[in-house]
Amino acid sequence: QQQVKQSPQSLIVQKGGISIINCAYENTAFDYFPWYQQFPGKGPALLIAIRPDVSEKKEGRFTISFNKSAKQFSLHIMDSQPGDSATYFCAATEETSGSRLTFGEGTQLTVNP
Amino acid sequence: DAGITQSPRHKVTETGTPVTLRCHQTENHRYMYWYRQDPGHGLRLIHYSYGVKDTDKGEVSDGYSVSRSKTEDFLLTLESATSSQTSVYFCAIRQKGGYEQYFGPGTRLTVT
Repeated sequence: QQQVKQSPQSLIVQKGGISIINCAYENTAFDYFPWYQQFPGKGPALLIAIRPDVSEKKEGRFTISFNKSAKQFSLHIMDSQPGDSATYFCAATEETSGSRLTFGEGTQLTVNP
Repeated sequence: DAGITQSPRHKVTETGTPVTLRCHQTENHRYMYWYRQDPGHGLRLIHYSYGVKDTDKGEVSDGYSVSRSKTEDFLLTLESATSSQTSVYFCAIRQKGGYEQYFGPGTRLTVT
């Protein structure tokens, strides 16, 4: 049962462009939605996260948009740079589950110079 | 890596042999997690621990067991390794008072 669906599977953007990755979830009990960035051979690194009581959170060039009614959230990377080339994972969890993360399948982002 | 180390970092083993992976943390975190990462599946939870000797199953726990006899160490054991357990295994911790989980560097396991 895939509770978090992520798209696209891969994404190619030009330097300076906007990268957008989307996730949809099914479990309305989820109350925390993080995004992770992973470089080859490394563990996932927490990038940014949001709670469902806000519709947007911005940290530098990274923004999460959250739509509770649609059960969707997305990551926007503004002014994308070649150094942003990595795999990005969305995830979701709820406190009552012991904060076990349910991950999307991942998006491989390539930013061309 | 939030004070998390995993050992070994790479291992090749044969089908049917037992394997134990170790996760060690130095910051006294209560919650610890084991995930596996496979292409097309993202990361999936195997087991997690919410304290010494307190563990629970995740979504892909079959064929795995865990133990936590002290706060700093969380062990993942494959009793009899199979080729389907070839994967990259990540340990994570959850910081006190929040939801944030931080991951270790991973162990690449190949079962031949």
